[in-house]
Amino acid sequence: AQSVTQLDSQVPVFEEAPVELRCNYSSSVSVYLFWYVQYPNQGLQLLLKYLSGSTLVESINGFEAEFNKSQTSFHLRKPSVHISDTAEYFCAVSETGANNLFFGTGTRLTVIP
Amino acid sequence: DTAVSQTPKYLVTQMGNDKSIKCEQNLGHDTMYWYKQDSKKFLKIMFSYNNKELIINETVPNRFSPKSPDKAHLNLHINSLELGDSAVYFCASSQDRGVRGRGETQYFGPGTRLLVL
Repeated sequence: AQSVTQLDSQVPVFEEAPVELRCNYSSSVSVYLFWYVQYPNQGLQLLLKYLSGSTLVESINGFEAEFNKSQTSFHLRKPSVHISDTAEYFCAVSETGANNLFFGTGTRLTVIP
Repeated sequence: DTAVSQTPKYLVTQMGNDKSIKCEQNLGHDTMYWYKQDSKKFLKIMFSYNNKELIINETVPNRFSPKSPDKAHLNLHINSLELGDSAVYFCASSQDRGVRGRGETQYFGPGTRLLVL
């Protein structure tokens, strides 16, 4: 069975500072990895995902995540955050051959002006 | 032009009532899902349908019954509502292209906030 751990429930950071949101997973089979973002009172939107190939994946708004198989991690980073990045961020995994996503408990990123 | 839409957006009701939440997607996807997000923001899948066929049914009380009249719609009917059913329910969809489980992106609706009094 899969599980996803997001150790940090809340991360406050000043505007233009770098940020890292941590995600670790466990699974006995190959997985795909995702980061979803949830802005206040909205549904989830895909930020980026890792399927195969290069272990570093990027989003269009400056976020990136690196798949580290040996550490079973998929941490999300951004070198300089904006106020508009304030949101809840969810890490998720799915197994190859299955549709369902297993989510972590989320990290609330608050960007302070 | 909303890709995945849900109605209603808010639902306040009394314990013991029966209610339905509707979901529609106009993306042409063939798989749809229902998720429950509790007060601590934890998201868990409840059901998944592919081309109107149930493919995932997690441990959910049988008071919850999904209905898929066609592949663009997946409704959720809840009987005998309980206080613990209060949550945000999200519908989502994805395109499998005939082969499941290849890391397809799921597109989420805006959520239905259910409050049971």
